[in-house]
Amino acid sequence: NAGVTQTPKFQVLKTGQSMTLQCAQDMNHNSMYWYRQDPGMGLRLIYYSASEGTTDKGEVPNGYNVSRLNKREFSLRLESAAPSQTSVYFCASPPGGTASGNTIYFGEGSWLTVV
Amino acid sequence: AQTVTQSQPEMSVQEAETVTLSCTYDTSESNYYLFWYKQPPSRQMILVIRQEAYKQQNATENRFSVNFQKAAKSFSLKISDSQLGDTAMYFCAFMKLLAGGTSYGKLTFGQGTILTVHP
Repeated sequence: NAGVTQTPKFQVLKTGQSMTLQCAQDMNHNSMYWYRQDPGMGLRLIYYSASEGTTDKGEVPNGYNVSRLNKREFSLRLESAAPSQTSVYFCASPPGGTASGNTIYFGEGSWLTVV
Repeated sequence: AQTVTQSQPEMSVQEAETVTLSCTYDTSESNYYLFWYKQPPSRQMILVIRQEAYKQQNATENRFSVNFQKAAKSFSLKISDSQLGDTAMYFCAFMKLLAGGTSYGKLTFGQGTILTVHP
């Protein structure tokens, strides 16, 4: 998954603190996604960006904000972290054009614990 | 809104046998892709197989094949000759292709099926 880079990989936050998860892809993809995955559960869509300059809510957007800074970067911000936001966060990005539908590139995940 | 449903939270199979994981989806779109991804305990997401909605032929990748029923909105995964290394959580995913072919709408995953292969 070298094409999608997420930082940080691990983070412990105190309740009420804020932080930003960074995601970058160097493959010139238009679309990028943020998910959270709780233990034993599936991936739930938080926000996505179909293309540069657009963002849309997914299933579980409450408590999060996003910024599509440019075509490469899509950041996820927790303004006031809550224990319920303890989860593993994944960034994903599929290719378009001639590679459309070939696969979805994922970051390695960011393990976030809110205490 | 599109939804993806995996109705089997857990499945188990003996090594060398065949198992089928089910997936249904709900959409009004006509241009989309379907995927099966495997997630071992490391949480890495590994592509198993993909299907373009416009293709009638079912996709096959070695021991993995799908049964794509577009009208029924069903996309099941068959694993033949199961191996111990197939033990993982499996996710079905739906991705809508937007006009222009270079960007996508929602990318939705099912709840996952934990597959255990027994020796």
